[in-house]
Amino acid sequence: QSALTQPRSVSGSPGQSVTISCTGTSSDVGGYNFVSWYQQYPGKAPKLMIFDVSQRPSGVPDRFSGSKSGNTASLTISGLQAEDEADYYCYSYAGSYTSRVFGGGTKLTVL
Amino acid sequence: QVQLQQWGAGLLKPSETLSLTCAVYGGSFSGDYWNWIRQPPGKGLEWIGEINHVPDTNNIPSNYNPSLKSRVTIAVDMSMKHFSLKLSSVTAADTAVYYCARRGRGDHWFDPWGQGTPVTVSS
Repeated sequence: QSALTQPRSVSGSPGQSVTISCTGTSSDVGGYNFVSWYQQYPGKAPKLMIFDVSQRPSGVPDRFSGSKSGNTASLTISGLQAEDEADYYCYSYAGSYTSRVFGGGTKLTVL
Repeated sequence: QVQLQQWGAGLLKPSETLSLTCAVYGGSFSGDYWNWIRQPPGKGLEWIGEINHVPDTNNIPSNYNPSLKSRVTIAVDMSMKHFSLKLSSVTAADTAVYYCARRGRGDHWFDPWGQGTPVTVSS
């Protein structure tokens, strides 16, 4: 299966909002409400930020939100803070227990 | 609160077998899916496979990424609450940070993750 498509990089100033897109197909993103998002700092393990398209785990700030339209999922970070600078990866279930695809990752820079 | 701690050899020669172990602390071991995911240097995440123990049975199903299936074995040690990854005939393309991660029964996300083990394949 092909990786989901994410922009290589996005940037924003403190206090602004940024949106990271994750484009797949009707066989993955578009076919199921099972998209999740992970934040990864350099040299650290990924951390779950959003699951099932728009659900936030306990402890994740409500500045992080998720949505989906058609074959594209989005992660929006509002009120950007310096600590949000990291890599972000999307993931989608793709219809079978052997089809699990991640996006290529997006580097968020806080200017 | 589930926590994962992983370990294993970090330097291999081509054709050797990669072997990593992940210990599960807290929570229930049976019923959940225990995954391995890797990240080559400067690249994205790749799902390797997962294993599950069905409670009250001897059923231990596993699922693998088709691109790696011929070389991958994931196993569990129920008594120790460990699960392991073996990847045979490694090449430089297998150089990556390897993570273990939990996927809850019925869930389609990974949480938590182990701290990661860097593995380098070099002659």
